[in-house]
Order: sequence, then C-alpha cells, then structure tokens
Amino acid sequence: EIVLTQSPGTLSLSPGERATLSCRASQSVNSNYLAWYQQKPGQAPRLLIYGASSRATDIPDRFSGSGSGTDFTLTISRLDPEDFAVYYCQQSGTSPPMYTFGQGTKLEIK
Amino acid sequence: QVQLVESGGGVVRPGRSLRLSCAASGFTFGSYGMHWVRQAPGKGLEWVAVIWYDGSNKYYDDSVKGRFTISRDNSKNTLYLQMNSLTTEDTAVYYCARGRLLRGFIDYWGQGTLVSVSS
Repeated sequence: EIVLTQSPGTLSLSPGERATLSCRASQSVNSNYLAWYQQKPGQAPRLLIYGASSRATDIPDRFSGSGSGTDFTLTISRLDPEDFAVYYCQQSGTSPPMYTFGQGTKLEIK
Repeated sequence: QVQLVESGGGVVRPGRSLRLSCAASGFTFGSYGMHWVRQAPGKGLEWVAVIWYDGSNKYYDDSVKGRFTISRDNSKNTLYLQMNSLTTEDTAVYYCARGRLLRGFIDYWGQGTLVSVSS
C-alpha cells in the first residue's frame, strides 16, 4: 500500500505570498494518477489538480502542480484570502484501483 | 450541473447496520464510476469504496472489506452503501463522489451525510 505524506502539517502565510505544499509517496506513483483537492470548513473537497499538473475546470492559474516519482508539489503563486483551506493529495493504483489520500496540509492566514 | 445528494445518515448503535443513498443528477450516471469517501470528525479524507459504471467491479479499503457493500441502480441514478457491523471507528461524514476511473481522480463530490456510531 502506498502511503502519502504531506508537509508541512500547517503552513502560515499572508495573502499575496507564495505557498509550496509537498506530497511524498512511500513508493513511486504514476504521475497520471496524482491529484490535489482543496477543502474549506464545512464543505466538500474540490478537485484542483489531476495528472499531477493539469488544472481542473474553473481553477485559477495561480494553482499549479508538479512532480514525479515520489515527490509532488502544489504551488499557489499569490495567495488570495479564499485560498486558506486544507489541501489533500491523492493517488490511485491501477490493479486494483485503490485510492489513498495524504493526511492534509492546513494553509492558514499568518 | 452535476449534483450528488447523500441521505441515510444518522445515529446508530455499534454492531447495527445502516444504508446510505446518493441521488445523482446533471450527468449520465451510468457512464461513470462512483466512490464513497469518508471523513471522521476533525480528521482527513479516507477512501472507502469504488464501483464501476456498470457495477461489474467493486473495490474496498481494507478497513471496511467484508462489512460494507457498494452498489448502484443506474435506472434510478442512485448509489448505495450498505454498512453492517458498524463500530465507533466508522463515525464520519460520508461523501458520495464521481470518479474518473481511467484517470484516477474524483471530480465531483456531494455535501456528505453524517454517520455517528455510539452506544
């Protein structure tokens, strides 16, 4: 079973700053099957990035994803007040298609 | 627009059963794989199960295998999760979600239904 470890656990930044969130896998992940989600309090998660670097529909271009193998990164170029939330990475296997999530990174206003 | 509306949550005693439903609309339900994902209070996301678009394949997380059953009725545009032998560890918000199985991600989520297992 692949374990995803996200760091840091909490990231304190100010609006306008750049945020870099990390997701490290316990073994190599097919980058086609690495996604990122945003979740705000009391809301369902929202898909941000799929295939490690493709933005989902209606996601602003300040969000970008990168990485391969065991190391993946979500970058928010200039933080907007609405971006403060919890972010999760997720990977899926192919045979069987089991899904796993990282434990999340909380992005909070400094 | 895509809508997923869960129902069936509530308070249940340990060892009892509960069935969740998810009504889908705004897309061709029978063309998509569907997932259940849960989130314990104050915790992260935990994938529970997935079912193929036609119900032909089903996969479960080890924590629920043998106790939970995912199913679907494409004529009713509805997804189900039958949960048996519930324990306090199953207390969570349960989300129904649409999957892009060939791409390995989830693109739409319902608002969730809370299941609380307590004596």
